[in-house]
This record gives sequence, structure tokens and C-alpha cells, in this order.
Amino acid sequence: NAGVMQNPRHLVRRRGQEARLRCSPMKGHSHVYWYRQLPEEGLKFMVYLQKENIIDESGMPKERFSAEFPKEGPSILRIQQVVRGDSAAYFCASSPGQGDTQYFGPGTRLTVL
Amino acid sequence: GENVEQHPSTLSVQEGDSAVIKCTYSDSASNYFPWYKQELGKGPQLIIDIRSNVGEKKDQRIAVTLNKTAKHFSLHITETQPEDSAVYFCAATSTYGGSNYKLTFGKGTLLTVNP
Repeated sequence: NAGVMQNPRHLVRRRGQEARLRCSPMKGHSHVYWYRQLPEEGLKFMVYLQKENIIDESGMPKERFSAEFPKEGPSILRIQQVVRGDSAAYFCASSPGQGDTQYFGPGTRLTVL
Repeated sequence: GENVEQHPSTLSVQEGDSAVIKCTYSDSASNYFPWYKQELGKGPQLIIDIRSNVGEKKDQRIAVTLNKTAKHFSLHITETQPEDSAVYFCAATSTYGGSNYKLTFGKGTLLTVNP
């Protein structure tokens, strides 16, 4: 029973490039959440999605960041024109329903040079 | 919005001793309090959680207590082992505005268990 899968595990980008982070939820889970973790900080909520719908993106910067969870395939967190301040660990979590326990993936560690 | 404070930021204990980590929250509407363990280079792993209709929950060496009046909750690990060494995060979710999915995390406690 595979858990939440994220790839890539490590991603290096130069300033101005695009970063695409992928998340496949646990089997049977249709709710996906993205969190960002800065060094020595707790995780901060970014966005909550259900299949084909963004439910809450209040924690996501308005510019350069977008997220999707298509009918088929993984959820994608996209960061355009990355800057050094985007360097962080990005975690995806999934749950079977809203308000249910969230299970986290291993994260993608983004480094912007 | 919700604010979660966690203490201490670091905790060092001898193997076999108990460890206690405490968190306070600000939103009285919060009703779900999970604890996650994060090992180096890995994602957070749920170890125990409690809902606001329960005051205490135990799972083998791990227990969580909740005081709704004081708005604080604590993680208790007994008979600590070296493999308990990790960063522990508390979190809370609020029912306010229907956002019962938005976890607000504390800043974490680095627990070191010395053999």
C-alpha cells in the first residue's frame, strides 16, 4: 500500500527558471494539500485541492505560484521564475475526505541558485 | 487565524527517561490536534492525534493530553529510545469558516535521546 509519492525528491533551479513539483496521493484519497517548510520552521499551508478543483489557495503567493490536481495524474505545484527565497522543502499531504487525517509525502527539496 | 506555539525547541534526554513537549493554540474553535515526527530528510509522519471531545489518548509509549480551557496540549513519550530522536511537530486545525483541513504547525522540537 504505497503512501503519498512526491517527485523529484531534490530539484535545483537557477533564478528565473520554472520548478514543477509532483504529488501522487495515497490510493483512495482525493484531497491534496501542499505545505512549505523553510529551514528550522514548521510547515506552512499553501493550497488545498480536490480533483479538478482548487478549494483554498489562501496560503499560496498570488504571483508565480500555481497548483492543479487534474482528473487524471498527479497534483502539480508550479513555481515560475523562481527566486532564492523559494528555496525550501515542499510537502504534499493527502486525505480521504475533508478534515480527515493528513498523510504526508517525503517532500521535494528545492534549491534555487 | 490560528497560532500554535511549541516548547521547548530542543530537548535532550537519557535513554529510558520521559520526554514532554507542550503546545498552545490561540483559536478556541480548534478541534483537532495531531502530532508528527519528522526524521532527517523525510516527510512528517503522524504518530498520534486527538480531537477536542477527548482529554487524553494513549498509544503504547506515546500519549497526548488536551486542556481545552487553557488551550494547550502536550505529547508525552515514556521509556525513550534512541530511535525516538527526531523533530516533533504539533499542529491544530480550526472549524472556523469551514477550514477544518488547514493544519497550523508549531515550529518543532528537536528531541535527542542519548544512549
